[in-house]
This record gives sequence, C-alpha cells and structure tokens, in this order.
Amino acid sequence: ILNVEQSPQSLHVQEGDSTNFTCSFPSSNFYALHWYRWETAKSPEALFVMTLNGDEKKKGRISATLNTKEGYSYLYIKGSQPEDSATYLCASVPYNQGGKLIFGQGTELSVKP
Amino acid sequence: ETGVTQSPTHLIKTRGQQVTLRCSSQSGHNTVSWYQQALGQGPQFIFQYYREEENGRGNFPPRFSGLQFPNYSSELNVNALELDDSALYLCASRQASSTDTQYFGPGTRLTVL
Repeated sequence: ILNVEQSPQSLHVQEGDSTNFTCSFPSSNFYALHWYRWETAKSPEALFVMTLNGDEKKKGRISATLNTKEGYSYLYIKGSQPEDSATYLCASVPYNQGGKLIFGQGTELSVKP
Repeated sequence: ETGVTQSPTHLIKTRGQQVTLRCSSQSGHNTVSWYQQALGQGPQFIFQYYREEENGRGNFPPRFSGLQFPNYSSELNVNALELDDSALYLCASRQASSTDTQYFGPGTRLTVL
C-alpha cells in the first residue's frame, strides 16, 4: 500500500446499529496514526493518536485499534446515534517527515433515527 | 472548539489574482501546518512552519508560500491563482512533537473563477 485508503467510502446505518470502518496505510516508515471526526461546516475534531502496534483507544462509544505490522486501523462505533453522522478521516504520519499528516479520503457516515 | 481560527471563511477570486489566507493557532502551539482539500479528496499537506521557519513542504508549486509570525499565527499566500486552486484550505496547529494531536481550524473556502 502506497497511500492511505479508507473503506467504505460511505455508510448508511440505523440508529442503534454498531459499525466499523477501515483505514489502510503504508506499514513501512510508520510513525503514528490519527483519527478525526468532521461534521459539515465545523473544524475536524481529533479523536485518537495511535503509535504502538496493538494499541486500542476508546472515547465514549467510539474505539479504535491499530496494527502497524500489516498497516491497518479499525474505528468502531457502538450503538450509532444521529449525532455520530459525520465524515471520519484517518491520517498516517510517516517517520522522520516532521509530523505531516497523509490523509485518506474519509468515510462518510449517516445515521438515520 | 479547537481554538484555531481562520479568516476569511469564504473568498472568491479570479484566475491570475493573488490571495492571502490567515490562521491563528491555539495558545502554546509553535507549529502550524496548511492543507488543501479538493472536492471528494482527503486534505493534502501543503507545508509546515515551526518557530517562523518552513520545515516541511508537500507537492505544491512555489506560488504557494507562507509565513509564520512571532505569535505563531500564520499566512498562506497563493500567487497567479488557477481554477484548480478552488478548494477548502485548512490550517492545523500543534506543539512540536510529531505525535501530538493537531488541532484544525474550520477552513477557508476559496473559489477561483
């Protein structure tokens, strides 16, 4: 994998459903992975910064895991709510490149009441 | 809110003109990065400033330039605007560590006619 890729591109779920997205990134030269939540017309909101293989982070109903050896991260949302509707972006930070973020194209989540 | 502000919110320019976008970083943050998000894509890294010096640049031509001031606020300047420069421009601030959370502003929407 040469770029950061996210799947699916969009997701439509019902309130109460649990869901997950995938972020794939180059495993060589890996330094860190960021997850952001971005609502329309607002600033992207930082969710997690992950660095270690096997890392698991949790914030309320949202959690994330990291596998640096195979180059992927999963974001899980338990019991989706309409207010979870947003675009979820992941960004890889390559080693020794000053902290620049290389973003995927995002997963757009829509949660219907 | 992230504490990062950007101005203006929206801007319309014509091809060949020059534009200056502004970013006020979060208090205590000495590193500012700029990103361009074209329609349907993830944000792309333009460049980064640390303590008033550019210390990283993405794949953007020299007509994209910037400044960082002693109070760590920043400007992005684009000369000789082209139609493809139409995009959302985001700035992000952080402390110096590459694994620190980057806090984004809400962006400036630039339209080039």
